[in-house]
Amino acid sequence: GESVGLHLPTLSVQEGDNSIINCAYSNSASDYFIWYKQESGKGPQFIIDIRSNMDKRQGQRVTVLLNKTVKHLSLQIAATQPGDSAVYFCAEPMNTGNQFYFGTGTSLTVIP
Amino acid sequence: KAGVTQTPRYLIKTRGQQVTLSCSPISGHRSVSWYQQTPGQGLQFLFEYFSETQRNKGNFPGRFSGRQFSNSRSEMNVSTLELGDSALYLCASSLAASSYNSPLHFGNGTRLTVT
Repeated sequence: GESVGLHLPTLSVQEGDNSIINCAYSNSASDYFIWYKQESGKGPQFIIDIRSNMDKRQGQRVTVLLNKTVKHLSLQIAATQPGDSAVYFCAEPMNTGNQFYFGTGTSLTVIP
Repeated sequence: KAGVTQTPRYLIKTRGQQVTLSCSPISGHRSVSWYQQTPGQGLQFLFEYFSETQRNKGNFPGRFSGRQFSNSRSEMNVSTLELGDSALYLCASSLAASSYNSPLHFGNGTRLTVT
């Protein structure tokens, strides 16, 4: 069935380095993906989204890459900062009614 | 523009009791969804409302119910609470009617503890 998953549950990076968080999906018909960031004690916060007619989309210090051939997307964070420490989720729609699948999340820790 | 507001932030209840959680979506958003978040199961979809109608429901028992009012505000109710209902309950609103057009915007959740 449709689902999204993440390759690694935890990731530690040095401050200033680039971070890459990966996500795999199984539904080849999926055409919209979203990345969320969840800090401790808060709800998930929208970071960036991408549609299947794009391979890459850039935001402020973040880039999402979509590889439809292998059903994989990644979130790249440039010059990672301590404030980037959080759990990151990828999500895709389950249907047209605003229902989403969420991956299990990757916990990013930035080492000063 | 104010974000999604959930009240209360924390709740402690006893097994067998019932609880009502409240959510005010972003102004103009007509879709409201509820998710349960636990360390073991992650984010799991409960239900979604659009213009006061429940459009989708997740795989949860009938003890979990919800509703949406004409002003788009939503409530969810859990009856006969069980220990396993302890979780962070997240409300999210969306501008679009379809999940393919717009992301969800989440509140900071209600932390429910059942003892």
